[in-house]
Amino acid sequence: SQTIHQWPATLVQPVGSPLSLECTVEGTSNPNLYWYRQAAGRGLQLLFYSVGIGQISSEVPQNLSASRPQDRQFILSSKKLLLSDSGFYLCAWSITYEQYFGPGTRLTVT
Amino acid sequence: RKEVEQDPGPFNVPEGATVAFNCTYSNSASQSFFWYRQDCRKEPKLLMSVYSSGNEDGRFTAQLNRASQYISLLIRDSKLSDSATYLCVAASGGSYIPTFGRGTSLIVHP
Repeated sequence: SQTIHQWPATLVQPVGSPLSLECTVEGTSNPNLYWYRQAAGRGLQLLFYSVGIGQISSEVPQNLSASRPQDRQFILSSKKLLLSDSGFYLCAWSITYEQYFGPGTRLTVT
Repeated sequence: RKEVEQDPGPFNVPEGATVAFNCTYSNSASQSFFWYRQDCRKEPKLLMSVYSSGNEDGRFTAQLNRASQYISLLIRDSKLSDSATYLCVAASGGSYIPTFGRGTSLIVHP
């Protein structure tokens, strides 16, 4: 069966510090991968998606970037965090339309 | 303009009640529809797909009305454990980027 891992589960970072969140998927090949952010009490905001290694599409221009160095690995990064980057970051995978989410990383920028 | 709209609620119902949520979508090309459940501070989890003919899974029934562009979720015999936010999702053919609604909050009380 397929599983998706995200780490860390929680993170507290100062403004201006870098960020690296990692997501890996097991049990499937060539999945579509997604990064979402959910601010407190808000809906899901799609940040990036990838249909293959090295292929990244950005939905919202911001100070975040994503990379897919391996088929089942998706990384979300930032060089300098802003206060507005705080939120719940979710990685998801899909083969067709159903998406399956990882447990998420709760990021607080102070 | 939001593509998928839901009443945010909260819907506050007693145990054993029947409750229904509607969700409207604006993209007439949408072909696949889903309901997700999200518990507080957790990731969304796929609850059920919504088929043209409607589908039922235990106490949960999902319906699609293409003419009016809405989908519905009916929960019978509500349990305390049904308390969560229910997210409606629509996806159009050829794009593996579904659109999530912002969710409807359900609170089931004793």
